[in-house]
Amino acid sequence: GENVEQHPSTLSVQEGDSAVIKCTYSDSASNYFPWYKQELGKRPQLIIDIRSNVGEKKDQRIAVTLNKTAKHFSLHITETQPEDSAVYFCAASVNQAGTALIFGKGTTLSVSS
Amino acid sequence: DAGVIQSPRHEVTEMGQEVTLRCKPISGHNSLFWYRQTMMRGLELLIYFNNNVPIDDSGMPEDRFSAKMPNASFSTLKIQPSEPRDSAVYFCASSLPGQGAGGYTFGSGTRLTVV
Repeated sequence: GENVEQHPSTLSVQEGDSAVIKCTYSDSASNYFPWYKQELGKRPQLIIDIRSNVGEKKDQRIAVTLNKTAKHFSLHITETQPEDSAVYFCAASVNQAGTALIFGKGTTLSVSS
Repeated sequence: DAGVIQSPRHEVTEMGQEVTLRCKPISGHNSLFWYRQTMMRGLELLIYFNNNVPIDDSGMPEDRFSAKMPNASFSTLKIQPSEPRDSAVYFCASSLPGQGAGGYTFGSGTRLTVV
C-alpha cells in the first residue's frame, strides 16, 4: 500500500526566512497531494493541494511542487511569520479515485521573531 | 453547515471499559474516514466508508476496534475492551467523491485517555 515519508520532522527558521518540507510517496497511482496545517490542540486544515497533472501551484506565500517521476513533492513557505508555527502534514491519495489519504508523520515548524 | 461533528470531545475511561466515539459528516459528503493521531505514529488511517459501505479496514489495529456507518449522517468507532495504549486523538473526516472539493474536512477530534 501507499507509504508517505516526510522530512524534516522539525524545522526552525527566523521570521522572514523560507521553509521547505519534502515528502516522498510509493504508489505511482496516487494522483492527489494535499498539505495540512495543524495548530496545537486543533484539527488539521487544508492549506494547499496539487493534482498529478500539475507541476507547481502557488497561493500567496505558499507553493507546492510535484515531481511524479521521482515521486516526491514539496511545500515551500516564503517570508515566514510567527503564525506559520504549527505542524504540517503532507498526504497522498491511496488510489486513482483519490478516496483515502495516507499522511506523512508531520513536520513541526517553529518561526522565531 | 456546522462541519464534521464529533462527540465526545474528551473521554477518560478505565482500562477494560467499552468506548464509543461518534461522528456526523458534512451533509452531502459520501466518504467518511476515521484516523488515530499519536506522537509516535502520526495520523493513521483506521477505516473508511464510501456511501456507508466500509471500503478498507486494514488500518484497524485489533479486533477490539470496530466501526459502523448505519446511515449517511452517522458513524461510530467502538473500542471494546479499551487499553491504555489506545489513548490518542481520534479524528473523523468526510469528503466528496475523489477529493473534488478540496480534500477532507476534519472534525475537532475526540481525545481518548484510557487509565
